[in-house]
Amino acid sequence: GDQVEQSPSALSLHEGTGSALRCNFTTTMRAVQWFRKNSRGSLINLFYLASGTKENGRLKSAFDSKERYSTLHIRDAQLEDSGTYFCAAEADSGYNKLTFGKGTVLLVSP
Amino acid sequence: DAGVTQTPRHEVAEKGQTIILKCEPVSGHNDLFWYRQTKIQGLELLSYFRSKSLMEDGGAFKDRFKAEMLNSSFSTLKIQPTEPKDSAVYLCASSSDWGYEQYFGPGTRLTVL
Repeated sequence: GDQVEQSPSALSLHEGTGSALRCNFTTTMRAVQWFRKNSRGSLINLFYLASGTKENGRLKSAFDSKERYSTLHIRDAQLEDSGTYFCAAEADSGYNKLTFGKGTVLLVSP
Repeated sequence: DAGVTQTPRHEVAEKGQTIILKCEPVSGHNDLFWYRQTKIQGLELLSYFRSKSLMEDGGAFKDRFKAEMLNSSFSTLKIQPTEPKDSAVYLCASSSDWGYEQYFGPGTRLTVL
């Protein structure tokens, strides 16, 4: 089965509201990275965490290796936050290759 | 400061052709990755190089896919022969070292007719 299970697959928010994306891991992961795909299709780094939490503006991410999950919280959502978000995790294997979730399509509406 | 660059951005090929995708990692990065992205499978690892040495060749993709890294600033991904199911976005990423985040290029969108 998939090592990285990302949910939800799609999310609709009204401007000014917030929600959370979640990735569950079926095995112990060493680190997690969150991306957003921009309009050109490039993956833009949002966060890289080996533990704990990080915050950047209206985004906040947490990673718990022991409990095998990571979250990405969005608060005060804006129209420009719309897009596809991915989590990706590094297995605890000595290589830093990433295993990706299937992505969450976020739509923020007025 | 240049990020990861990939060329071409778009490629259209006939079934059975050979195509070569190119990637230049961030200067000074030691690790380079090739991924394939499809709507069904999401992102899948194709190849992984560390200091130009092939560390992983993506198992199921060994058959017609070959990645090379002849120097630390350039990598190619050859698909030979192409099949329609190879239509996808191919992403290259680099990282400075183990335990550091990966930076992605804009990708090459391949369409095989």
